[in-house]
Amino acid sequence: NAGVTQTPKFQVLKTGQSMTLQCAQDMNHNSMYWYRQDPGMGLRLIYYSASEGTTDKGEVPNGYNVSRLNKREFSLRLESAAPSQTSVYFCASRNSGGQGLGETQYFGPGTRLLVL
Amino acid sequence: AQSVTQLGSHVSVSEGALVLLRCNYSSSVPPYLFWYVQYPNQGLQLLLKYTSAATLVKGINGFEAEFKKSETSFHLTKPSAHMSDAAEYFCAVRGGYNKLIFGAGTRLAVHP
Repeated sequence: NAGVTQTPKFQVLKTGQSMTLQCAQDMNHNSMYWYRQDPGMGLRLIYYSASEGTTDKGEVPNGYNVSRLNKREFSLRLESAAPSQTSVYFCASRNSGGQGLGETQYFGPGTRLLVL
Repeated sequence: AQSVTQLGSHVSVSEGALVLLRCNYSSSVPPYLFWYVQYPNQGLQLLLKYTSAATLVKGINGFEAEFKKSETSFHLTKPSAHMSDAAEYFCAVRGGYNKLIFGAGTRLAVHP
């Protein structure tokens, strides 16, 4: 049981390049999330997927796209990277144990992205 | 709309001293509140959560937090700091569609 895994761990891009960040979870969770973490700003939600086949924008979706490939996998794509997208990206998944029960998001180890 | 404010971006304590990390929330509905810890170069790990049951919540590593509705607070405490507690701590409130809304974080330093 690996929990939430993310690849790659670190990436350097040039402005305008594209890449996909991969996320997978083996906990059979329905909901998955992508956050970015910037100094002094905590984590901000980029996109989320409440269930397989659905995706919705979060707080900072501009410049990103997502794909919920199946129940396990939720990828984040940068079509044309910009220096403002330099950040640490975290994927999370959530169990949904009913009203107040199991309300926990589990986080991956993160992907550090540097855009030059 | 929900929001979280963490007072103090940096807190420094001596080993063995009380740890107090402050969190105030704003929510139009009864909140679900969380504290996460992030060790250097790692992901976030859940410390504890409040989901409308007991107002005093005990978490891992000796941490606890008390939900005070009248003060809209959910401060994190630990009676005696250990060097291994040095990390960044995030308070969060559950928002719409079960997404988490995080505070800016508090970096805790523990010195001998």
